[in-house]
Amino acid sequence: GNSVTQMEGPVTLSEEAFLTINCTYTATGYPSLFWYVQYPGEGLQLLLKATKADDKGSNKGFEATYRKETTSFHLEKGSVQVSDSAVYFCALPGMDSSYKLIFGSGTRLLVRP
Amino acid sequence: NAGVTQTPKFRVLKTGQSMTLLCAQDMNHEYMYWYRQDPGMGLRLIHYSVGEGTTAKGEVPDGYNVSRLKKQNFLLGLESAAPSQTSVYFCASSSRVRGGSSGANVLTFGAGSRLTVL
Repeated sequence: GNSVTQMEGPVTLSEEAFLTINCTYTATGYPSLFWYVQYPGEGLQLLLKATKADDKGSNKGFEATYRKETTSFHLEKGSVQVSDSAVYFCALPGMDSSYKLIFGSGTRLLVRP
Repeated sequence: NAGVTQTPKFRVLKTGQSMTLLCAQDMNHEYMYWYRQDPGMGLRLIHYSVGEGTTAKGEVPDGYNVSRLKKQNFLLGLESAAPSQTSVYFCASSSRVRGGSSGANVLTFGAGSRLTVL
């Protein structure tokens, strides 16, 4: 079935550093891909999404490009802030039904001042 | 603008006790989900519902039961709690998919319920 693999964390960066969090997927066809973010003490919320190959999702300075050649959807940000400290989850729909999301294990990001 | 509300936020149980987690959404969403979050394992789907009166098993349903008697509520029950059910539980909801990959769901999550089973 469909699955995602994320890089393990934690990722610790200094403020204004460049961020990359790797995500690769296995899927039948070309499903939509998602990044969700979980801030401390909160539930997950959608950060960005891409609905077809070569699409770029973007929000709050974060970007991710849907690359079918490498089956990847890496999350990037050019200059991180302390407020970006959170856990980031890559996700895609299940093979059997598009309304069920399958999440990666999450990558914790810690940004130091 | 409440979104998805979970109660209780924290609970400590003894092995063998029962309890119910309540999830309520005010967005008129058709689909609702219960996930559990464990360190290093991300989120795993326990049960879900595609409409009032319907429920279905997810990835890790054993030891849990659910009910969706009203469209806005989705209850998760533990009949006999075990230490392995110590986790953070998240409820989520989404609107109906309207065909094709562009209609794939965006989930709205609650803030979570932390359950400890001693």
